[in-house]
Parts: sequence; structure tokens; C-alpha cells
Amino acid sequence: SQQGEEDPQALSIQEGENATMNCSYKTSINNLQWYRQNSGRGLVHLILIRSNEREKHSGRLRVTLDTSKKSSSLLITASRAADTASYFCATVDSGGSNYKLTFGKGTLLTVNP
Amino acid sequence: GAGVSQSPSNKVTEKGKDVELRCDPISGHTALYWYRQRLGQGLEFLIYFQGNSAPDKSGLPSDRFSAERTGESVSTLTIQRTQQEDSAVYLCASSPYYNEAFFGQGTRLTVV
Repeated sequence: SQQGEEDPQALSIQEGENATMNCSYKTSINNLQWYRQNSGRGLVHLILIRSNEREKHSGRLRVTLDTSKKSSSLLITASRAADTASYFCATVDSGGSNYKLTFGKGTLLTVNP
Repeated sequence: GAGVSQSPSNKVTEKGKDVELRCDPISGHTALYWYRQRLGQGLEFLIYFQGNSAPDKSGLPSDRFSAERTGESVSTLTIQRTQQEDSAVYLCASSPYYNEAFFGQGTRLTVV
């Protein structure tokens, strides 16, 4: 079953613009992670934000987490053509020792040169 | 090794045959995951191993699917009597406890 749901499903922007993707989830979480996937193969981890954190930065990436709304957003600033990829959020439920990582359906980002 | 290794990279099999997919995780990673991804879709959770605990098999779609892992090393995903709907990319990932997951490049399975 899917935990995170990304929005929008697809996003097309021009190089240099900012891209914002959103993720909603259903349960209490230990942490939320964002991944990127090129060409339908292996995923690359971008950033992890824990449930007691509200915002995190990594280079041109900014992630926010609102646990009261059960939502997160990923902002990519000054986008480049190389940022074209699918982006997924993934959650780890809180409590217990089960660290199952559950992914959403993803947002397909196209950055046009 | 430098990362998670999956083999084979591609597999074409005839309907009804059994296939075995292999995953070599990063040394020391206690958690190992298998996911299935159909074309243009998200990642469908299949199974999760955590150390010596009983695996979470809640995502396996049918009893034709099974997976094993010996300790914190290699894992194999076996699909018996393959069907055309099993065609997909099968992704393996490993993780240190409560941290980011590292993915292999996947095995593209085509059932003809």
C-alpha cells in the first residue's frame, strides 16, 4: 500500500525556475525521506527529515515537514535540465522496531532548457 | 563493495518458469528491502528484512513470491511460475538502522 502521495504527478518548468513538490502521508512517522530516480532504475537519496524537525536544507534543496498536517514539501531552487527526474517521498512509521520504508507514487519533473 | 549490487541486470524468461534475483547489500547494513516498480509507476513494497528479526512479508503479492536473507548478507527473491504481470523492475535497497536507504540498479524482468 502507498503511504506518501506526491502532488503534482507531473511538473514541467523552465531552467532557472523553482520547482515545488508536495507529499502527504497518513500515519505518525519517525522520518520522511526524498529520493530521485533517473531513467527508471536505482533511486538516489536526497534528504532525510526527522519528525522533530521542521525544515532542512541541502544545496539547492529545501525540505519542510508539517507533522500536524501530515505533509512535506521539496523545493528545488534555480532548477537545471539535469534535475529532470522522478522524485519520491518515503516514510518510516514511528514506534516499534519495524523500519519499513514506504514510497509514494512520485512526481515527474521536467526542466526544459 | 561500493554499493548495493543486483544481478542479473536484465532477465527474460518464459511464462511459467521460475526466476531468482540476487541482491548484495552494503556491508554492515542491517535492513534490506525489495520493491517492484512497473513502468511509469511508483515503488511497490514487497518485503523487508531487519537483522535477525522475522521479515515483514506483507507486500508479497502471492505465494509465488518468496525471499530469503542469510544474516545481514545476500538476499534472493524467487518468483515461481512467472506470469506476464510479473514483468517489472525489481529494486533492492539496504540501510543502516533508521537512516537513508541505498538502492541497487535493479533487475529488469521480462516474462514472455
